[in-house]
Amino acid sequence: DAGVIQSPRHEVTEMGQEVTLRCKPISGHNSLFWYRQTMMRGLELLIYFNNNVPIDDSGMPEDRFSAKMPNASFSTLKIQPSEPRDSAVYFCASSLTGGVGYGYTFGSGTRLTVV
Amino acid sequence: QQQVKQSPQSLIVQKGGISIINCAYENTAFDYFPWYQQFPGKGPALLIAIRPDVSEKKEGRFTISFNKSAKQFSLHIMDSQPGDSATYFCAAKNAGSYQLTFGKGTKLSVIP
Repeated sequence: DAGVIQSPRHEVTEMGQEVTLRCKPISGHNSLFWYRQTMMRGLELLIYFNNNVPIDDSGMPEDRFSAKMPNASFSTLKIQPSEPRDSAVYFCASSLTGGVGYGYTFGSGTRLTVV
Repeated sequence: QQQVKQSPQSLIVQKGGISIINCAYENTAFDYFPWYQQFPGKGPALLIAIRPDVSEKKEGRFTISFNKSAKQFSLHIMDSQPGDSATYFCAAKNAGSYQLTFGKGTKLSVIP
């Protein structure tokens, strides 16, 4: 298995533009998580899906952020309009929940820079 | 409370020494405590995990010590090597939930 695949690896965009981050979870995993990592705040959970259904989006900072999971093999995180304070590394992780362990597998992340 | 407090922020250890990273929590509903290792440019990777019904778990050079009454747990890296240089995160999972709450991370540097 190729692991959790995120694209793009790097994104530089101008303030006000729409940004879409993409994630392909590990096949067979039924939970998907979006995290944001910054030096100041560490790893913050934005939203998580279980069986393609959003379960908890309380970490989504504001209405500019939205996430979808149209099927078990694909999820997107969209920021519209983007702002410089959104600059961070965004990670997607997946796991097989309901089993013995709860270990996440993270992707390599998307480094977003909003100028 | 959902916080997990991790210390120290950074740690420098000589090769062959013992690295110790500590975490504390308040929420007694946490039921799973993993540690993640992150190298620059990569996502965090699961290193070792423990449940609150055991006091210690060892995997190779990595050991988790868990003190339920004190609501603390720690990661010990024995015979630390330069290749262990990375950022380490403790985390905790709330019973009945699948989401992890992470500590702020510890940047470990192992010097030759």
